[in-house]
Amino acid sequence: QKEVEQDPGPLSVPEGAIVSLNCTYSNSAFQYFMWYRQYSRKGPELLMYTYSSGNKEDGRFTAQVDKSSKYISLFIRDSQPSDSATYLCAMSAEDYKLSFGAGTTVTVRA
Amino acid sequence: DVKVTQSSRYLVKRTGEKVFLECVQDMDHENMFWYRQDPGLGLRLIYFSYDVKMKEKGDIPEGYSVSREKKERFSLILESASTNQTSMYLCASSSGLGRWDQETQYFGPGTRLLVL
Repeated sequence: QKEVEQDPGPLSVPEGAIVSLNCTYSNSAFQYFMWYRQYSRKGPELLMYTYSSGNKEDGRFTAQVDKSSKYISLFIRDSQPSDSATYLCAMSAEDYKLSFGAGTTVTVRA
Repeated sequence: DVKVTQSSRYLVKRTGEKVFLECVQDMDHENMFWYRQDPGLGLRLIYFSYDVKMKEKGDIPEGYSVSREKKERFSLILESASTNQTSMYLCASSSGLGRWDQETQYFGPGTRLLVL
């Protein structure tokens, strides 16, 4: 079993829809949770970061962490074609090492 | 802005060749990383360096070595390339200042390596 599970999709939605992405994990030591966005032929870039359980909002993006269920989510409201990318969840305990999900490819249709 | 650059975007090599992948960061970061990215597997850590000449094995170090002679440069070496090393290779760096909650990893654009 992988340490971090993420449905690779692909996910295709019309412009303006809410995109819902999620990951599950098995390591209860994980404290820090991140979402990276990767455009085609580019390296990943940090989109959002949360600590422990709870919600964090940044513009159209909301990250949620439920440590009791070992489940994290990313919601994109009012999705735009420019949101088309691969979204990777990543998490770590209190050290340098990140464990990544496989990534979900999202296409937002104009 | 942090910039991480990788020497090549695309490489084609033959089985058995020695391959060098170079990575340079311009933010005086202490930590540097090499990952490979494969469909369905996500990013897997090959090696990590936390200081010049210092390195640690990641999850999949077999068949790879690294070199960090200068702080800004981290090289990944495939001693004898094999077809199963065909992949996207990503370099990353982070500040290493000790507050790991500020330890954002900044990635380069990646090198797509094809081993024939």
